[in-house]
Amino acid sequence: RKEVEQDPGPFNVPEGATVAFNCTYSNSASQSFFWYRQDCRKEPKLLMSVYSSGNEDGRFTAQLNRASQYISLLIRDSKLSDSATYLCVVTPFGNEKLTFGTGTRLTIIP
Amino acid sequence: NAGVTQTPKFRILKIGQSMTLQCTQDMNHNYMYWYRQDPGMGLKLIYYSVGAGITDKGEVPNGYNVSRSTTEDFPLRLELAAPSQTSVYFCASSYGRGSLRDEKLFFGSGTQLSVL
Repeated sequence: RKEVEQDPGPFNVPEGATVAFNCTYSNSASQSFFWYRQDCRKEPKLLMSVYSSGNEDGRFTAQLNRASQYISLLIRDSKLSDSATYLCVVTPFGNEKLTFGTGTRLTIIP
Repeated sequence: NAGVTQTPKFRILKIGQSMTLQCTQDMNHNYMYWYRQDPGMGLKLIYYSVGAGITDKGEVPNGYNVSRSTTEDFPLRLELAAPSQTSVYFCASSYGRGSLRDEKLFFGSGTQLSVL
């Protein structure tokens, strides 16, 4: 089993719709969780850290389910500019142990 | 602030050649990292550094070397380039560890390297 697994997609979603991705992780000792966004041929950029209680930033909501070992990202009222690859990132402790998922590709359709 | 600056953006090497990828950051971050990203794969850590003079291997260090003589600079050296090193390379930095804020990674814009 991969340490971090994501559905690669692509997810093709109409503008204005709600879309959700999950990411499962295998290491139960994982402590820190992040969602990064990567545009085509660009560097990854932090979208959200994922807190134990879940957190929201505008149209984006991140949740952590430790019992089932997955994190989720929900995007409401999707915009064309949300088209990107979303990377799930997990670590037990410290950035030298970060494990990146392969990403979920999202395309918002006008 | 420029953030994390990588050079060059593109490079084509012949098998057996060597080169250095440059990375510099102006955020006074202690931690710096080199990743490679192959198509359809997650980022893999090559080497990292927790401060000037301190470096350590990541998941895929073979064929690479690094040095960290200053806080700002973290060059990656490829010796005897091989086709398997064709990839996109990203340098990154962070404050450190211990909190979600500290662990946020700031990436450079990447280097597309082809070894033919």
